[in-house]
Amino acid sequence: GAVVSQHPSWVICKSGTSVKIECRSLDFQATTMFWYRQFPKQSLMLMATSNEGSKATYEQGVEKDKFLINHASLTLSTLTVTSAHPEDSSFYICSASWEGPYEQYFGPGTRLTVT
Amino acid sequence: RKEVEQDPGPFNVPEGATVAFNCTYSNSASQSFFWYRQDCRKEPKLLMSVYSSGNEDGRFTAQLNRASQYISLLIRDSKLSDSATYLCVVYSSASKIIFGSGTRLSIRP
Repeated sequence: GAVVSQHPSWVICKSGTSVKIECRSLDFQATTMFWYRQFPKQSLMLMATSNEGSKATYEQGVEKDKFLINHASLTLSTLTVTSAHPEDSSFYICSASWEGPYEQYFGPGTRLTVT
Repeated sequence: RKEVEQDPGPFNVPEGATVAFNCTYSNSASQSFFWYRQDCRKEPKLLMSVYSSGNEDGRFTAQLNRASQYISLLIRDSKLSDSATYLCVVYSSASKIIFGSGTRLSIRP
């Protein structure tokens, strides 16, 4: 149980374009979903927390207009990287939880490369 | 000082050895603690929660030392498959989650 999927698993896009990443909880209803970014050889950095039906809470330093998060249902959250730049190239991972922030279950991640 | 610190390693130990590493945290009000493992280029997977009384799951033992503000992970009889990066996660509050930078463990035959 507690399976989280992400799509796509990897994407290459050109500078200035937008990319949407989907995160789905497959066998449970996720009241809370989290989006992380991880640069090579670094730890995960929490970008934002989203609860179904409400606006996401962004961490300090994360531009909410650049990283658009939508948590439309209890099983789906999306992250849209708008006007992507090469420095946005990273590993984006979502996680989901059904009991607040504890015991998060992670998706397999999306590797984004912006050329 | 980082809020959560881990020795990055790598720890390189022979199969069958016992290995332990710590994770220190700076916020004494931190509430919950977890260990995750992350394989190269994969997502983190929950390994175990860390309870005040300590807890054990097979070959893995996690402990919390609130007085010295650290958590530890002990792996006994290490297997090749234990090679991974181990991340500690500290919840400073219900809404503030901090991942350590990870400790790399490599088990050699």
